[in-house]
Amino acid sequence: GIQVEQSPPDLILQEGANSTLRCNFSDSVNNLQWFHQNPWGQLINLFYIPSGTKQNGRLSATTVATERYSLLYISSSQTTDSGVYFCAVVTDSWGKLQFGAGTQVVVTP
Amino acid sequence: DAGVIQSPRHEVTEMGQEVTLRCKPISGHDYLFWYRQTMMRGLELLIYFNNNVPIDDSGMPEDRFSAKMPNASFSTLKIQPSEPRDSAVYFCASSRLPGQNSYEQYFGPGTRLTVT
Repeated sequence: GIQVEQSPPDLILQEGANSTLRCNFSDSVNNLQWFHQNPWGQLINLFYIPSGTKQNGRLSATTVATERYSLLYISSSQTTDSGVYFCAVVTDSWGKLQFGAGTQVVVTP
Repeated sequence: DAGVIQSPRHEVTEMGQEVTLRCKPISGHDYLFWYRQTMMRGLELLIYFNNNVPIDDSGMPEDRFSAKMPNASFSTLKIQPSEPRDSAVYFCASSRLPGQNSYEQYFGPGTRLTVT
């Protein structure tokens, strides 16, 4: 099956810093989503981005499908950005998501 | 829309007891997915439905697990008998038909199951 690798596994940021999270996948995909799992365990949709670039406030994402990677940018990080960021891909016609292991982000004041 | 609704939010039960988790997908979504999250295995897909019909249950760990979707607005995941290794957070998610230019899945808040 497809391999989804996220890096780095852990990230500690000072409030206000910028960062880039990476997701590599081993095969072509129909869909790619980024999620934020907050400290209360909720999975929040950030981006649905099978290709191209999208922005939402301080967050943006870019997927280069031909090179099999996606990047999530966090700018001017805030303590509320803490949590785990997951990349998940779909390779079949049914929409099954295959998750990466996540990047644990801690933003300190 | 209220989003995907799951109940209960927390469940503590003793080994050997039956556990039933419930999910109400977003109205108009044709796909429903059940996932399990553990520290050891991360997020893994258990089973999914299309128009109330189970499509793939290959992720269900063993026969103690069963899932049903009697109608478009309700699904259950049942564990009988439960074991301590079933302790995890169980998520339900739903999405529209892939052909409608979107596979985007939306997740419920999860049910945290503890089996003692």
